[in-house]
Amino acid sequence: QVQLQESGPGLVKPSQTLSLTCAISGDNFFTTGTAWNWIRQSPSRGLEWLGRTYYRSGWYYDYATSVRGRATVNEDTSKNQFSLHLKSVTPEDTAIYYCSRGRASAFDSWGQGILVTVSS
Amino acid sequence: DIVLTQSPDSLALSLGERATINCKSSQSLLYGSNNKNLLAWYQQKPGRPPKLLIYWASTRESGVPDRFSGSGSGTDFTLTISSLQVEDVAVYYCQQYFNPPPEFSFGQGTKLEI
Repeated sequence: QVQLQESGPGLVKPSQTLSLTCAISGDNFFTTGTAWNWIRQSPSRGLEWLGRTYYRSGWYYDYATSVRGRATVNEDTSKNQFSLHLKSVTPEDTAIYYCSRGRASAFDSWGQGILVTVSS
Repeated sequence: DIVLTQSPDSLALSLGERATINCKSSQSLLYGSNNKNLLAWYQQKPGRPPKLLIYWASTRESGVPDRFSGSGSGTDFTLTISSLQVEDVAVYYCQQYFNPPPEFSFGQGTKLEI
């Protein structure tokens, strides 16, 4: 059974970069048909998909329009984990951040989530 | 961008009643290459991440009770809970996938109370 665990700082200052890591257990990046996603949730924006990485004979990365240019997702196959880096954050980026496995165009496994607050 | 609109925003029913939650998409979610509707449903309880219930509009995720069912095609979809249980109190979300460009989005949520 796949398990995902987010980690990172809970407080980030405005204009800095938010960096989170998701540790994967029970699966890996090379399982057919899987993708590895970041999703956040806030009262003002609801559930918002941010980006993903996946392997199909090469690495691919997709990003939501709302964060394209600010967000980077990358993977570390040796540690079986992937990361989100979101630069130039503002208080609007305050949210619970989830990592999730994607299959069949849906998200079938989720981490518990990590609350990140953007404040000086 | 595709917008998903759920109705109602909240719903209060009694134990054993049938619950119906609707999700309307601003564009068709029928994917031509595999004839699947790329629409999923989730249940979220307080302090917990969303849990996948239904994918491809009507395929129940493994382990999900059969009182949960999904239907619809194109732009109009429905999640039905046939006989409400106490543990079904939650917020329910629909979610779509569209490509190109690859993009996922969620409905605003429907709060179900008993």
